[in-house]
Amino acid sequence: QTVVTQEPSLTVSPGGTVTLTCASNTGAVTSSHFPNWFQQKPGQAPRSLIYSTSHKHSWTPARFSGSLLGGKAALTLAGVQPEDEADYYCLLDSGGVWVFGGGTNLIVL
Amino acid sequence: EVQLMESGGGLVQPGGSLRLSCAASGFTFSDYWMTWVRQAPGKGLEWVVNINEDGSEKTYVDSVKGRFTISRDNAKNSLYLQLNSLGVEDTAVYYCARGTVTLPGTDYWGQGTLVSVSS
Repeated sequence: QTVVTQEPSLTVSPGGTVTLTCASNTGAVTSSHFPNWFQQKPGQAPRSLIYSTSHKHSWTPARFSGSLLGGKAALTLAGVQPEDEADYYCLLDSGGVWVFGGGTNLIVL
Repeated sequence: EVQLMESGGGLVQPGGSLRLSCAASGFTFSDYWMTWVRQAPGKGLEWVVNINEDGSEKTYVDSVKGRFTISRDNAKNSLYLQLNSLGVEDTAVYYCARGTVTLPGTDYWGQGTLVSVSS
C-alpha cells in the first residue's frame, strides 16, 4: 500500500522561498505519478494548484511552481505572501489509485 | 462559471445509508471524469473514488469497496455517491471535484457536504 509523506510543518518568512516535498514509500516519485498539489485554508474547500508535476491552473499564482527533486515531488513558493499560510497536500496517482500525502502546514512568520 | 454543489449529507446511525449528490454547472459535464474526496474532522484529505466520463470505469479506495457506489447522470449534470454500511470512520466532509481534461488530477472543487455517523 502506497504511503505518501510530506513535511508536517514548515515556517517561512514573508518574501522568502520554501520548498515542500512529497515522497512515496514505494520508491522515487516520477512524472508517471502525475503529482498534484492542493492548498487548503481553514474552513475552505481545497483548491487545486498544480497537476501533472508542474502544470498550473489559470488561477495558480506565478510564485508557485511544481517539479521533481531528488526522487520526490516538490512545490516551491518563491516570494511567499502572508496569504500563502495554509495546509498543502500532494496527491500521487499509483496506477489509477490516488493517494494523498498527510499535508504540510505552512506558517508564514 | 464552473460550479459544483454537493448535497445529501447529514447525521446517520452506524450501519445506515446516505446518498450524496453533486450538481454540476458551467461546463459540459459529460466531457469530464469526476472524483469524490473526503476529509475527516481535523484530518487530511482522502481520495475516495473516480468515475470516467460515461460512467463505465470506476476506481475506489480499498476502505470503501463494496460499501460505496459512485454513479453519474450526464443528462442531469449530476454525480452521486451512495454510502452504505456506514461506520464512524466515514464521518467526514465529502467533496466532489472535476478531473482535468487530459491528465490525472483535478481542477474545480465543490464546497463539500458533511456526513456524520453516530449513534
